[in-house]
Amino acid sequence: EAQVTQNPRYLITVTGKKLTVTCSQNMNHEYMSWYRQDPGLGLRQIYYSMNVEVTDKGDVPEGYKVSRKEKRNFPLILESPSPNQTSLYFCASSWGTGDYEQYFGPGTRLTVT
Amino acid sequence: GESVGLHLPTLSVQEGDNSIINCAYSNSASDYFIWYKQESGKGPQFIIDIRSNMDKRQGQRVTVLLNKTVKHLSLQIAATQPGDSAVYFCAETPPGNQGGKLIFGQGTELSVKP
Repeated sequence: EAQVTQNPRYLITVTGKKLTVTCSQNMNHEYMSWYRQDPGLGLRQIYYSMNVEVTDKGDVPEGYKVSRKEKRNFPLILESPSPNQTSLYFCASSWGTGDYEQYFGPGTRLTVT
Repeated sequence: GESVGLHLPTLSVQEGDNSIINCAYSNSASDYFIWYKQESGKGPQFIIDIRSNMDKRQGQRVTVLLNKTVKHLSLQIAATQPGDSAVYFCAETPPGNQGGKLIFGQGTELSVKP
C-alpha cells in the first residue's frame, strides 16, 4: 500500500530535550515536505526536500532541522524543543515540485512542556 | 483522532444535498489552486486541482470553480454523503512554484446530517 508513515504519532517531551520525528514514504517520491498545523494558522511549511541531499527552508524553519540521506526518509529534528513548537506535524511527499497531489502522513502530535 | 481544535467556519448539509465550500485566496499571480480534505485523525488528502488559466474543472462528484476577478475558489460536492464529513482546505501555489510550496487556507468544516 502506498503510504507515508510517521513516528511517533504522539510525543510529550520537555523543553530542551532533543527529539526526532521520522517520516518514510514507499512511493519513490522525489519531493518531501514537513508542515505544522496550528489552530487559526492552518498548515505551514517548515522544510522541504526536492531530492536526496537537497533541502530548503519553508515558511517557519526556525528551531527545526531536516536531512535527506535516502530518498524514502525525511526526518524532522528538534535540537532544543520549546513550548511554542507544540503542534501537530505532518510529513508529505509527491513526485516532484510540480505535482500538487501531495500524500500526507497521519500526523505527529507533539507537546513540549 | 488527531484534530487541531480549530473554530472553523462550518457548513452543515443534509445527506444527498449538494455542498458548496468557498475559499478566498490571496495572490492573484498564484499558478495552481488545490483542494484537500482532512478527516478526523488523518492527514490531508488531495481532492482536485485547477490551473490558474482555467475556470472550472470536474472530478468524480466534485467540481472546482475559479473566479480570478474576485480571487475566489469554490468546491462543489454533488450528492453529499456522510463520508464527506471533514475539514476542507484550499491551497494555492506561489508564482514560480517555489519549492513546491502550498499555502493553505484556514479550512471549512463540512458536517453531513444523515
